[in-house]
Amino acid sequence: QVQLQESGPGLVKPSQTLSLMCTVSVDSMTSGDFNWNWIRHHPGKGLEWIGYISNSGSTFYNPSLKSRATISVDMSKKNFSLRMDSLTAADTAIYFCAREPFGVVKGLRYFDFWGRGTLVTVSS
Amino acid sequence: DIQMTQSPSSLSASVGDRVTINCRASQSIAVYVNWYQLKPGKAPRLLIFASSRLQRGVPSRFSGDGSVTDFTLTISSLQPEDFAFYYCQQSYNTPFTFGPGTKLDIK
Repeated sequence: QVQLQESGPGLVKPSQTLSLMCTVSVDSMTSGDFNWNWIRHHPGKGLEWIGYISNSGSTFYNPSLKSRATISVDMSKKNFSLRMDSLTAADTAIYFCAREPFGVVKGLRYFDFWGRGTLVTVSS
Repeated sequence: DIQMTQSPSSLSASVGDRVTINCRASQSIAVYVNWYQLKPGKAPRLLIFASSRLQRGVPSRFSGDGSVTDFTLTISSLQPEDFAFYYCQQSYNTPFTFGPGTKLDIK
């Protein structure tokens, strides 16, 4: 069974940088072609896709984040990470990591396994 | 960005009921809608991808339909474990976007 687990600080001060890690169960990262995504859920609001990194290291981000997000991957350690700069209260959310099978058909994309999420609160 | 809307925003139903949740895209997205179930403290679960394809391991009481801009998720006979939040998501274009969600609770 594929398992993902997020980890990181629960509380971050405004203007600081957030660093989160997603640990993927053994063999899941290299068992096929995947994109590794970060998604967040604002309290009382909807889900927002942050971006992804592929197995080969290519990245793509949501332009709404104005280049504040950086996703990296360490295949040997079976994890991938999110770094987000210049945090404000609007970044308070539950952060999820999720796997996306790489597909050759444009549009045929989905998040098939997710972590349970980690709550990040931005407050002084 | 493609905007996704959902209706209703909340729904009360009983075990055994048939329920339908609607999702609409702001432009044509062919069949590229996915549906997820979210419960507090649990990993979100993919139910349906590409409008109507049932994800492996998901009970057959869940079904999806639709194309172009209008989509539905139907649960044919509600079970106690189905009371949760449901979100649609378009995968036609990046940035991927989600609907605002539907809360399904027990009547």
